[in-house]
Amino acid sequence: ETGVTQTPRHLVMGMTNKKSLKCEQHLGHNAMYWYKQSAKKPLELMFVYSLEERVENNSVPSRFSPECPNSSHLFLHLHTLQPEDSALYLCASSQDYFSEKLFFGSGTQLSVL
Amino acid sequence: DAKTTQPPSMDCAEGRAANLPCNHSTISGNEYVYWYRQIHSQGPQYIIHGLKNNETNEMASLIITEDRKSSTLILPHATLRDTAVYYCIVMGGKSTFGDGTTLTVKP
Repeated sequence: ETGVTQTPRHLVMGMTNKKSLKCEQHLGHNAMYWYKQSAKKPLELMFVYSLEERVENNSVPSRFSPECPNSSHLFLHLHTLQPEDSALYLCASSQDYFSEKLFFGSGTQLSVL
Repeated sequence: DAKTTQPPSMDCAEGRAANLPCNHSTISGNEYVYWYRQIHSQGPQYIIHGLKNNETNEMASLIITEDRKSSTLILPHATLRDTAVYYCIVMGGKSTFGDGTTLTVKP
């Protein structure tokens, strides 16, 4: 148990659906991250929030929309996804933006049909 | 940001020490070396980090060369549950985890 909880653990959605991934951290951290990991590929950093402000957005398509309502919660809203968006989506947190010690959740395995 | 190079795969016999190397020849003086591992379909797990001194914790030991251009993660008594992908990153590297080393521990 890392203190970072992601729900749901698995998600199957059609290309016209709208769904949201949720991440919650109980560590009192100030930075939160979304990563994407496609099959057999390295982790790709998608978004970074520091003190609830988005500080990094790494050329992610607009069909992925992050939301950070407070320092403990992070959402990734999904709409009109493509089959190639099927991947493991990982949330992480760190004490602050400059800390390299990341605590990851177990991820959401997303399948887009 | 410093880039790291790791061998793509390694095997280790159960109960033996696993020594995983990492090259970070462009590391700057104030950049830490971090190690994570990822068991299949789970989130990466922090293992250990260091700046220039050798470090040890309940999971592993980290040996950093004097010139800091390379490091070795040591799992002293590997078990089957240590089979995973091991990532070495340096400061600023949380956006570039790379391919890591797939360690397979065999009975």
